[in-house]
Amino acid sequence: DGGITQSPKYLFRKEGQNVTLSCEQNLNHDAMYWYRQDPGQGLRLIYYSQIVNDFQKGDIAEGYSVSREKKESFPLTVTSAQKNPTAFYLCASAGGTGTEAFFGQGTRLTVV
Amino acid sequence: GIQVEQSPPDLILQEGANSTLRCNFSDSVNNLQWFHQNPWGQLINLFYIPSGTKQNGRLSATTVATERYSLLYISSSQTTDSGVYFCAVFRGSTLGRLYFGRGTQLTVWP
Repeated sequence: DGGITQSPKYLFRKEGQNVTLSCEQNLNHDAMYWYRQDPGQGLRLIYYSQIVNDFQKGDIAEGYSVSREKKESFPLTVTSAQKNPTAFYLCASAGGTGTEAFFGQGTRLTVV
Repeated sequence: GIQVEQSPPDLILQEGANSTLRCNFSDSVNNLQWFHQNPWGQLINLFYIPSGTKQNGRLSATTVATERYSLLYISSSQTTDSGVYFCAVFRGSTLGRLYFGRGTQLTVWP
């Protein structure tokens, strides 16, 4: 099946720990994106990558880091510097210029 | 960046009613999509519609790119239509960013 897989679906971490969220796609898409959603809110862009080994900050990149070593994978690390990390995280991918974007099922991160 | 505004922010309907959701954007775009966020949080693709009109069952969408707006029509609403509807646009000559509106929260009562 082609698609985007995010794992895990639910993640619990203690305050002060770094945590990495996985996003893998087998759609052969060049672009990948990470968004954060807080309860009752819209989606805010954290980071995006248009090509392997390159990525750009979005609107709320502070406290997050990413890598894009492979076309299929775009992991997001939530660092201890992120002041309020509890949220729903969504990963997306898209093919060529302006083509249709698809989303994974999301990861709910709770930091206690 | 580009501004994407959706209206209304909230919509409450009785089952069987029709509705129209609107998305305005502030500049020319390469692509426009409508998504439905289900109760589990997943974003479901409804339409990829940079211009023109498309229909899929009880849903249809129209984008008038020259006037910078898109409309999503839902006919004969069902309770399963409840959720948040997002409009998103791509901008840029390269792959660029995907900009989202704040969404319309639709509640359909039986």
